[in-house]
Amino acid sequence: DTGVSQNPRHKITKRGQNVTFRCDPISEHNRLYWYRQTLGQGPEFLTYFQNEAQLEKSRLLSDRFSAERPKGSFSTLEIQRTEQGDSAMYLCASSLAGYNEQFFGPGTRLTVL
Amino acid sequence: GENVEQHPSTLSVQEGDSAVIKCTYSDSASNYFPWYKQELGKRPQLIIDIRSNVGEKKDQRIAVTLNKTAKHFSLHITETQPEDSAVYFCAASSWSNDYKLSFGAGTTVTVRA
Repeated sequence: DTGVSQNPRHKITKRGQNVTFRCDPISEHNRLYWYRQTLGQGPEFLTYFQNEAQLEKSRLLSDRFSAERPKGSFSTLEIQRTEQGDSAMYLCASSLAGYNEQFFGPGTRLTVL
Repeated sequence: GENVEQHPSTLSVQEGDSAVIKCTYSDSASNYFPWYKQELGKRPQLIIDIRSNVGEKKDQRIAVTLNKTAKHFSLHITETQPEDSAVYFCAASSWSNDYKLSFGAGTTVTVRA
């Protein structure tokens, strides 16, 4: 499969625990975006990378959230001290710089109990 | 920031009829407008997009129109089929924001056989 992949697909955790998600973009894509989608809503932008540089973070991304893309390939999104309000689908998308089209992964569905 | 509004939130059509979904945006700098289709439990899939230098684009049964002056764009699906049933999201972005997407809230389309 040459598309965007995300792992795990589902994560159930207890409030206060830390979780980490991984995104593997399409191999030649140098831009990587993270979005969050809650039930009945469109995805909301969280942050994005061009190669290994994190270029922008939404104000939705509290201090408990951190994202990395250490080698400009895969990316990780970590949530510390999870809260019930963090329950959502976390989507990753990738694109080539200079091109508009973003291709999405299947998402990681987080449930915080 | 960009604000995208999408109407209607739900749409039920008879198989073979047409479906129209409308979106408005607020940022006059937006110049790229994709439409995504999301089936239950699956990733958003890009189905068609339009750039601000074009007023209309068609791909088989799907067409998108853009009115830059009024800041609105629409998705038209003709000869609807049961497999068109899904949630459709419009989005807007601009090169000045590195094409991070601002999504509408989505339209749930149900095609009745």
